[in-house]
Amino acid sequence: GNSVTQMEGPVTLSEEAFLTINCTYTATGYPSLFWYVQYPGEGLQLLLKATKADDKGSNKGFEATYRKETTSFHLEKGSVQVSDSAVYFCALSTPYGGATNKLIFGTGTLLAVQP
Amino acid sequence: DSGVTQTPKHLITATGQRVTLRCSPRSGDLSVYWYQQSLDQGLQFLIQYYNGEERAKGNILERFSAQQFPDLHSELNLSSLELGDSALYFCASSVEGAASYEQYFGPGTRLTVT
Repeated sequence: GNSVTQMEGPVTLSEEAFLTINCTYTATGYPSLFWYVQYPGEGLQLLLKATKADDKGSNKGFEATYRKETTSFHLEKGSVQVSDSAVYFCALSTPYGGATNKLIFGTGTLLAVQP
Repeated sequence: DSGVTQTPKHLITATGQRVTLRCSPRSGDLSVYWYQQSLDQGLQFLIQYYNGEERAKGNILERFSAQQFPDLHSELNLSSLELGDSALYFCASSVEGAASYEQYFGPGTRLTVT
């Protein structure tokens, strides 16, 4: 079945360090891929998305490229800030029967950025 | 603020009881999704409604049910509650149900079963 695998956390970085959070997926068909972020005590916010191979999603300095050949969608940021501390979820959606896009999530990766 | 509202924010109840969680989607969104977030199961899809009709079902227990009303708000009913049902329950909405449409999440309802 469809699944998402994320690197285990927590990831602890100093401010201005480079961030990579690995995400790989298994899916039939052509999934859309997403990164969501969850700040403490809040719901999930969409960070970025990509809907087809070689698409690059980007937002707030974060980027991820849809790599079909390696079934990956790694999240990167060149210089993290303390305010980026949160849990990051990789997710995919695929058509299911009719037009539906239930999300399948990875386990989440906690990022802690220290000043 | 995603535009998706959920009530109540917190709910504490006893085993065996029944509760109702409510969700109002973003204005214009026709699809509503329910997810459960727990420490042992992570984030799991429960059920989706599209314009009042059930569209997809995930790992939703038989003790749980949901519906979407004509004004598009949705309710998730949890009955015969067990300790293991303690979790964060999120509602999300999207414009349509197609795979590329992003979902916007509400702040969640934290359910504690004692």
